[in-house]
Amino acid sequence: DSGVTQTPKHLITATGQRVTLRCSPRSGDLSVYWYQQSLDQGLQFLIQYYNGEERAKGNILERFSAQQFPDLHSELNLSSLELGDSALYFCASSPRSSGGVNEQFFGPGTRLTVL
Amino acid sequence: ILNVEQSPQSLHVQEGDSTNFTCSFPSSNFYALHWYRWETAKSPEALFVMTLNGDEKKKGRISATLNTKEGYSYLYIKGSQPEDSATYLCAATSGGSYIPTFGRGTSLIVHP
Repeated sequence: DSGVTQTPKHLITATGQRVTLRCSPRSGDLSVYWYQQSLDQGLQFLIQYYNGEERAKGNILERFSAQQFPDLHSELNLSSLELGDSALYFCASSPRSSGGVNEQFFGPGTRLTVL
Repeated sequence: ILNVEQSPQSLHVQEGDSTNFTCSFPSSNFYALHWYRWETAKSPEALFVMTLNGDEKKKGRISATLNTKEGYSYLYIKGSQPEDSATYLCAATSGGSYIPTFGRGTSLIVHP
């Protein structure tokens, strides 16, 4: 158990809908990262927050947004869902802002299925 | 975003065999290299973080080396056990973005 929690574990929804994925980092970690893993791709970095502020952005679609709250939990909002958004979404946390040298602790993931 | 390649894609070995696999990344502006172990139905677990050319890290029967000049890292497993069966991911970050780019992983299956 990494200490990172994600809810829900599974989510099934329809195209065009909007969903919110939630992540609570390890106690004391200030950085949260979101990743997407689709069947045909490796882990794709989406976005990083550090202590409430956006720190880095990857290939995140405009239909997706995220935020980190004062208690450091983070939410990833996915809207106007398409079939291709079906994937495993991971959240990871690390103590400091730089993902470069800090190891990241991954949550169990949320499996999103868009029908 | 970096181009991070891992080989082989999959590997089947017998219990007791030693094995190794490779992670290749662009050597220019290199910042750090991570190895993760990812068991089925679980989440990736960090094994090593390496930053300096010539770095060697070891954890039990697993070790890793780093060559930043030529842009590769090797992960070695000595005396493989069935519980070593997992996908091994590497991720590289460059000094420009500090965003980790993951390879597709090497799937290791150790047969008893």
